[in-house]
Amino acid sequence: AQTVTQSQPEMSVQEAETVTLSCTYDTSENNYYLFWYKQPPSRQMILVIRQEAYKQQNATENRFSVNFQKAAKSFSLKISDSQLGDTAMYFCAFMKPQNTGANSKLTFGKGITLSVRP
Amino acid sequence: DTGVSQNPRHKITKRGQNVTFRCDPISEHNRLYWYRQTLGQGPEFLTYFQNEAQLEKSRLLSDRFSAERPKGSFSTLEIQRTEQGDSAMYLCASSLAGGGGPDTQYFGPGTRLTVL
Repeated sequence: AQTVTQSQPEMSVQEAETVTLSCTYDTSENNYYLFWYKQPPSRQMILVIRQEAYKQQNATENRFSVNFQKAAKSFSLKISDSQLGDTAMYFCAFMKPQNTGANSKLTFGKGITLSVRP
Repeated sequence: DTGVSQNPRHKITKRGQNVTFRCDPISEHNRLYWYRQTLGQGPEFLTYFQNEAQLEKSRLLSDRFSAERPKGSFSTLEIQRTEQGDSAMYLCASSLAGGGGPDTQYFGPGTRLTVL
């Protein structure tokens, strides 16, 4: 079974600064997908970024980028130029690929609460 | 694309009552997932459908829980004889599988259930 660990329960960052959120996972699979989702207070979960394990290049979406270290099973999220609207809970999630015949369910970490200070 | 919608958004019920939640996925999405999220935790998988077929159920889904997706469109999740431990946010997600890429799931706003 896969596990996802987010060991930092809370983080705080000053507006316009950069912050990195950590995530580690455990799997015996060689191919899989990793995701970061954002859940603002009382609002729905939104996909931030995704990474396919067979791609060595780290994914980037505007101010959001990942540092994917497959050997270390690490998948951290870097948020540059933090904005007040980035205040949210962030979840790291793992998915097996569909072609293994596996259910494409997401396995989530416990999440980290990020607060952006003005 | 109107997104995934869920109704009701909030439900307060007394222990022992039955409740039903509805999820309307993004149109044309063939997969639909139900997750449960308790306070301070990440969502946990409950069950999923490919079109109208329910293909997997988590061990978290006791006999009191039942889910349907009768025409491969909307889905309902029913909890019978609710218990206080059922209090949680119930999330629905949908995806379009089979495109060759990751099965990216889009989430609804959730239904928050409080069992008194």
